[in-house]
Formats: sequence, C-alpha cells, structure tokens
Amino acid sequence: GAGVSQTPSNKVTEKGKYVELRCDPISGHTALYWYRQSLGQGPEFLIYFQGTGAADDSGLPNDRFFAVRPEGSVSTLKIQRTERGDSAVYLCASSLGRQETQYFGPGTRLLVL
Amino acid sequence: GQNIDQPTEMTATEGAIVQINCTYQTSGFNGLFWYQQHAGEAPTFLSYNVLDGLEEKGRFSSFLSRSKGYSYLLLKELQMKDSASYLCAVRVMGNDYKLSFGAGTTVTVRA
Repeated sequence: GAGVSQTPSNKVTEKGKYVELRCDPISGHTALYWYRQSLGQGPEFLIYFQGTGAADDSGLPNDRFFAVRPEGSVSTLKIQRTERGDSAVYLCASSLGRQETQYFGPGTRLLVL
Repeated sequence: GQNIDQPTEMTATEGAIVQINCTYQTSGFNGLFWYQQHAGEAPTFLSYNVLDGLEEKGRFSSFLSRSKGYSYLLLKELQMKDSASYLCAVRVMGNDYKLSFGAGTTVTVRA
C-alpha cells in the first residue's frame, strides 16, 4: 500500500510568514508523529498524536508551532512568524500503535529566508 | 534526554563488511531501532532489538547488549546502494512512542 506522504516537498518562505505542512499517514495507522531534522543531525521529536488528540507535544520548540489532526488521519503542522532557525526538514511518521514500528515520509524541506 | 553516540563517518569497499557502533545512556530502556536514510529521502526501518543478542535479516544484522548500553549494525557484502546515513534510535518506558535518535553515521561504499 501507499506509504506516508508529505506536502509540499519543498517550501521557501520569508521570515515572519506563516506556513502549513501536511502529512498523510499510512491508512489505518492510529499513531502519528512529527520530527524535525537539521543538517547532519538525527530527527528530533516534536509531537505525537494518538487518534485526533495530541498525546505529547513536549517537543514543540515554542508557541509558534502548532499541529492538528482533526479526523484522526491527515495532520497539519503550522508554524507562525517563521524564523531563519526554523529551516530544517520536517518529517512525519506513522505507526499502527504507539509501540509499533514508525514509518517515515520523505519530509518537507523548509527554508526561511 | 538520552545520550546516543555513533561515529560520524565510515568508508568501506564494495563487497566488504562494515560495523556501525551505537552507544546510549538511558534509564528505562525499551528498545533500539536502526534506520537507513539516503540523502534527501525518508528514514527507512532496518531492525529492532529489545533483548540481548543478534538479529539477522539478510545482509544486515543488529546486535544489542543492554548491560553495556551498546548496539551495532553489521552490513555484509556491501553494495554501492548501501551508501547512506544509518541512524540509531532508542525509546524508553513511559515515553515508548518517542524515538530519540543519534546524529547518524554516513557510510560511503567505494568500488
């Protein structure tokens, strides 16, 4: 079946703008995760959804970052007033359940100028 | 957080064997994962260890020693397509949905 998909694949924006990043998980996966990966680093956890609710958002760097998953499937990561330091690859992953193997999407490469 | 250490880079010859080590310091250890990531692509799952010992899967094997906080990924019969970054990730009890990753080891396979 189809894997995790993310759109857009690349996003260039200006400092101060608002961006939305979308994730379509594998069908039937109840758990969804967002990670952020900077160049030369491993992914860093941002937020975990179980169903529609954010079970753990402790990895979100500050209140400019917010994520939703209103119907328990597609998720959107929203970043307000973007800063140059937000430039990174934003990865989404999904799994059947919270302890199951996580499968990653190709990521959205965000560049804030 | 968890301290996870991996070598930054390794180079090996096509057909050879390479061993990528990963050490971690954590309390409540609840599993270790290895992922492969080609440049500009998604990390893809390779292996999972939670008990001590060796897990073999084709050309790739992964070993875990919980008492030593140590794992390795063994790549045999290296192929050019194995050139990639290899990420070690651990999870802990209580937060068993959250993966903590090392910085990754970039493996370059030369002809």
